[in-house]
Amino acid sequence: DGGITQSPKYLFRKEGQNVTLSCEQNLNHDAMYWYRQDPGQGLRLIYYSQIVNDFQKGDIAEGYSVSREKKESFPLTVTSAQKNPTAFYLCASSIRENTGELFFGEGSRLTVL
Amino acid sequence: AQKITQTQPGMFVQEKEAVTLDCTYDTSDPSYGLFWYKQPSSGEMIFLIYQGSYDQQNATEGRYSLNFQKARKSANLVISASQLGDSAMYFCAMREGIGGATNKLIFGTGTLLAVQP
Repeated sequence: DGGITQSPKYLFRKEGQNVTLSCEQNLNHDAMYWYRQDPGQGLRLIYYSQIVNDFQKGDIAEGYSVSREKKESFPLTVTSAQKNPTAFYLCASSIRENTGELFFGEGSRLTVL
Repeated sequence: AQKITQTQPGMFVQEKEAVTLDCTYDTSDPSYGLFWYKQPSSGEMIFLIYQGSYDQQNATEGRYSLNFQKARKSANLVISASQLGDSAMYFCAMREGIGGATNKLIFGTGTLLAVQP
């Protein structure tokens, strides 16, 4: 079945460590996105990518990095520079046409110990 | 700047009754799209319904309908005949522009709906 796969589902990290969250899609979508969700808040955009080898900062990009070497993959690295990394991270993709609906993965929950 | 406001942190509804979840938005772009997503406790985001700013009719999808009042900048979600499985977090979202290269959405803070038997 087509969809978006995020891994790992749960991740624990010590302070000062970088961690990479995986996001893979087989929907043949051009655009991919990373959102962060904190309790009581909506989703906030971290980074997005329209095409391979190109990406733009979202509203809260500080302390994060991404790459888009393949259309199917958009990994997110949470660096030690991110001051409060404990959160739920959601990856999404979309096609350019139509309504612009985002298709989401099941999310990755990162906890910093 | 574009903004989405959901003023109801939480709501209760009896099973089989209808419920309205409020959403207001702010944008200066005449072209925009409005979305509602459902997030169960498992965490995935499920698309429910879409309304384009130029759509003449209110959107409907099964038990979901969107009460779109453009002059008031509101896009309330109506769920008819609530079911226990409707218990979840509901998010309103907006995209400025239609048919662009990307579909960046901004989200409201959500409404937690609890359906009681």
